[in-house]
Amino acid sequence: NAGVTQTPKFRVLKTGQSMTLLCAQDMNHEYMYWYRQDPGMGLRLIHYSVGEGTTAKGEVPDGYNVSRLKKQNFLLGLESAAPSQTSVYFCASRPYSTAQPQHFGDGTRLSIL
Amino acid sequence: KNQVEQSPQSLIILEGKNCTLQCNYTVSPFSNLRWYKQDTGRGPVSLTIMTFSENTKSNGRYTATLDADTKQSSLHITASQLSDSASYICVCFLVGDDKIIFGKGTRLHILP
Repeated sequence: NAGVTQTPKFRVLKTGQSMTLLCAQDMNHEYMYWYRQDPGMGLRLIHYSVGEGTTAKGEVPDGYNVSRLKKQNFLLGLESAAPSQTSVYFCASRPYSTAQPQHFGDGTRLSIL
Repeated sequence: KNQVEQSPQSLIILEGKNCTLQCNYTVSPFSNLRWYKQDTGRGPVSLTIMTFSENTKSNGRYTATLDADTKQSSLHITASQLSDSASYICVCFLVGDDKIIFGKGTRLHILP
């Protein structure tokens, strides 16, 4: 039972480079989320999706884009990485019912030099 | 403004002792509240969920309480173990909304 899988686990980028973080869930969940976690800030929502083909902005969307072409996958893109985007990125998914918890991946640690 | 405030920011206790973590929320319309445990280097994992009508819920040595009138929740850990060292995050869900409000967490350190 894989749950939520994030790839890669670690990455170092240079300023201006682009990359895509992949999140895959095998629980047939409708909702998927991308968060960033910085020291002292808690989890902040970047973008989320309520279903295949739909995305919406969260609290801190600038500098990021997302796509949900398949129900099980949610991609987070950085078009031109900046040092301020150095963070730990977490993906989460949950079913439609709010009675069920979010399931989180183990994060992607991203450093922008 | 929807907010979730947790206290203390960090806590150090000896193994075997009990502790209580606090969560105050100003969230409307409130649906439910969860406590998550986040081990270092891992994603958060749900411990408990409490709806508006529930006062207490237990999960092993973890007991969560909810006072909907004062908008306060607590997480009590009994007979702490070294494996309880983690961050504990209070999270509120809003009714009929996709919004989820996270607290900043309490960092708990258990010393042998």
